[in-house]
Amino acid sequence: EDKVVQSPLSLVVHEGDTVTLNCSYEVTNFRSLLWYKQEKKAPTFLFMLTSSGIEKKSGRLSSILDKKELFSILNITATQTGDSAVYLCALRPGGGADGLTFGKGTHLIIQP
Amino acid sequence: GAVVSQHPSWVICKSGTSVKIECRSLDFQATTMFWYRQFPKQSLMLMATSNEGSKATYEQGVEKDKFLINHASLTLSTLTVTSAHPEDSSFYICSARDKAYSNQPQHFGDGTRLSIL
Repeated sequence: EDKVVQSPLSLVVHEGDTVTLNCSYEVTNFRSLLWYKQEKKAPTFLFMLTSSGIEKKSGRLSSILDKKELFSILNITATQTGDSAVYLCALRPGGGADGLTFGKGTHLIIQP
Repeated sequence: GAVVSQHPSWVICKSGTSVKIECRSLDFQATTMFWYRQFPKQSLMLMATSNEGSKATYEQGVEKDKFLINHASLTLSTLTVTSAHPEDSSFYICSARDKAYSNQPQHFGDGTRLSIL
């Protein structure tokens, strides 16, 4: 059974700090790893990672995947209060099954 | 960008009633849609994969007679929670993938918060 473990489960920092969110996984057949940001409603897509060692970057957010050690990190630099949210890591399997397996998420709170 | 619309956004109803939730892809066609459930402070759990024109595929532990899924067109899937009870109260979210771009990520609807009294 595929498994996704995120850490920490919650994190409180001050505006301007840099945070690193962790995601480790176990999977039988890997296709991609995805990061989502969830505020009050639906998750919004951040990154999709398929290859090891290639950093994906979008503004102050970046992410990288290590397929040998089976983990990914999401970095947020110069955090702002608008970054407060739950960050979800998810696995998309290969083969026929296509639904995502999600971790429990990291609840990030940015204090002014 | 790809938009998934989910309706209603919030439902409160009495125990024993059935509730239908709609998931529509507004600007793309989706052969496959997915239904997830999220309990408070828990992660999203895949309930079933909805396939256009054929039967849905349910995850282990999800009762197919309880959670009826219909995917009659390339832009609409419905989830009906039959004879709902308080333990069915949860946040239900659908997602869809553009059939023209199978490598792209799923797009999520805004979710339906279901409260059974």
